[in-house]
Amino acid sequence: QSVLTQPPSASGTPGQRVTISCSGSSSNIGSNTVNWYQQLPGTAPKLLIYSNDQRPSGVPDRFSGSKSGTSASLAIRGLQSEDEADYYCAAWDDSLNGLIFGGGTKLTVL
Amino acid sequence: QVQLQESGPGLVKPSETLSLTCTISGGSISNYYWTWIRQSPGKGLEWIGYIWYSGRTNYKSSLKNRVTISLDTSNNQISLKLTSVIAADTAVYYCARELVGATGWFDPWGQGTLVTVSS
Repeated sequence: QSVLTQPPSASGTPGQRVTISCSGSSSNIGSNTVNWYQQLPGTAPKLLIYSNDQRPSGVPDRFSGSKSGTSASLAIRGLQSEDEADYYCAAWDDSLNGLIFGGGTKLTVL
Repeated sequence: QVQLQESGPGLVKPSETLSLTCTISGGSISNYYWTWIRQSPGKGLEWIGYIWYSGRTNYKSSLKNRVTISLDTSNNQISLKLTSVIAADTAVYYCARELVGATGWFDPWGQGTLVTVSS
């Protein structure tokens, strides 16, 4: 069981807005930044959001991240079929002195 | 543009040592943290540990007794050794650059290499 909790699945239709949550605690999200990764089928994860809400160069502005307290969220607006992937949140945990990932959310575009 | 490429045996016998290399091209090892992450088939991501370019390491506590990450700066490579492997160590192993230490800000990643533990 992951220390960061994500819903196992999410879905939406093309053009819709979907959000994926990531719930943690004071020792991880509450005191450190959150990063999000997109993993397309059969490929390595790709950095999608870093430092809670920053987009790397090349990531469409349809993707956005936010953090409040011990939770974070990834929002995707204008959903597209190519967004169908697994999404993971990640944060450092001060108690574990290690990096932890959420269990991942499989996004289906209906 | 920095690129990472993992290499090593795809099959390791139980109780033996898993050894992988990550070759870094297009950039230097210096000034970054270098991390190993694995993903068991059909499962999520698991952080294994990192090495700072100075040689300082930090490992996941549950793997600490079995894992070693090291640097070869002359060849721009990092390596992973995991001893006494069991079936549960079967996974795709990724190396990644951590842009700011102890943040989970990994970019880029290698393509990953599948290691199967089986006799």
